[in-house]
Amino acid sequence: GAGVSQSPSNKVTEKGKDVELRCDPISGHTALYWYRQRLGQGLEFLIYFQGNSAPDKSGLPSDRFSAERTGESVSTLTIQRTQQEDSAVYLCASSLSRASNEKLFFGSGTQLSVL
Amino acid sequence: ILNVEQSPQSLHVQEGDSTNFTCSFPSSNFYALHWYRWETAKSPEALFVMTLNGDEKKKGRISATLNTKEGYSYLYIKGSQPEDSATYLCASSYSGGYQKVTFGIGTKLQVIP
Repeated sequence: GAGVSQSPSNKVTEKGKDVELRCDPISGHTALYWYRQRLGQGLEFLIYFQGNSAPDKSGLPSDRFSAERTGESVSTLTIQRTQQEDSAVYLCASSLSRASNEKLFFGSGTQLSVL
Repeated sequence: ILNVEQSPQSLHVQEGDSTNFTCSFPSSNFYALHWYRWETAKSPEALFVMTLNGDEKKKGRISATLNTKEGYSYLYIKGSQPEDSATYLCASSYSGGYQKVTFGIGTKLQVIP
């Protein structure tokens, strides 16, 4: 596609439910990142994919969070048993190559609200 | 823990004024420094990526410099316009380049007409 696409754009869920967030990177982009921004805070790194593997999962806040990527394309971020502190904007970004001197292209984000 | 620090956290300037922000980062094993602009209700958009000490990049009225030895970068905006109002994010990466890109908290700029 022309840009990074994320869905849904907004998600309201009840505490304890599972949610799945989707990211479609720019075609041919090897690297894919997930970040989140909670209210009043900066961009927080969650996980980084090179191809389909994730060499750095250090930002995932708990074992309720998981992510996968298939076909060096679509990625899904799954949050199980959501908590109110999971409420945030979840941003996905992709870049052309594995090298981190490539600019990141961001999607428009998923606004997650956990009631 | 690698911390990217940005200052100030917020800034108000009058239209036509020039301004600058600072990004500081650990210099050990540094690889690349990124600047992004994030306008309200939009996605962050890349301004510059720099890797070499002494690098200077320019895009219209916006420019950036990089000092990798002391671990800082400056972003300059000349003749600020209301459309420059946004959060400016700095990010860095390390260790050979195949590592995550870590962001600072950003500088929120508001240009007053």
